Amino acid sequence: GQQLNQSPQSMFIQEGEDVSMNCTSSSIFNTWLWYKQDPGEGPVLLIALYKAGELTSNGRLTAQFGITRKDSFLNISASIPSDVGIYFCAGPTSAGGTSYGKLTFGQGTILTVHP
Amino acid sequence: ETGVTQSPTHLIKTRGQQVTLRCSSQSGHNTVSWYQQALGQGPQFIFQYYREEENGRGNFPPRFSGLQFPNYSSELNVNALELDDSALYLCASSLGGQAHTEAFFGQGTRLTVV
Repeated sequence: GQQLNQSPQSMFIQEGEDVSMNCTSSSIFNTWLWYKQDPGEGPVLLIALYKAGELTSNGRLTAQFGITRKDSFLNISASIPSDVGIYFCAGPTSAGGTSYGKLTFGQGTILTVHP
Repeated sequence: ETGVTQSPTHLIKTRGQQVTLRCSSQSGHNTVSWYQQALGQGPQFIFQYYREEENGRGNFPPRFSGLQFPNYSSELNVNALELDDSALYLCASSLGGQAHTEAFFGQGTRLTVV
């Protein structure tokens, strides 16, 4: 089945540092989504990417849709303590029917920011 | 605009029992998907409901079933609960019939099976 591999699994950084994480797939995706999840909460959509090569920003966050359509990258600039959480990449899953809103998730990258 | 809401937020059940979890979709969304998230893992797709019918299913046994109502709210039912069913159950709503696959999640229901 489809699998998304995220790296690194965890990161410990100092406040103010930049962060980079990525997500790779064995199959081609036509959409990449990046979510952040705080403890005890549901994932919150950060950035959506729909076109190979696309680079999209949301404040201090920037994500890119890899040109091979098998990978994506998320960068966070000038990290702050509230960036702490788990970051997930996700893409449409092949689970029958139409693909709208059905997602395969990576295993997540745990980000810790030290003040 | 109201977001996705789930109830209850926490639940404790005994092995072998049945459970029903509820979800109200975001205003304007007609599609509901359910996910199971075990501790330390990413969410796993269970199934999706679109126009009150199941529209795709992940690798979950038949004792996981669901419903969608005319107002697009949804229920997830799990029969014969097992200890491994302990997880955070997430509901996500989206707009079917669109090219994009963005999904917006509720806060989840934490199910503990003892």
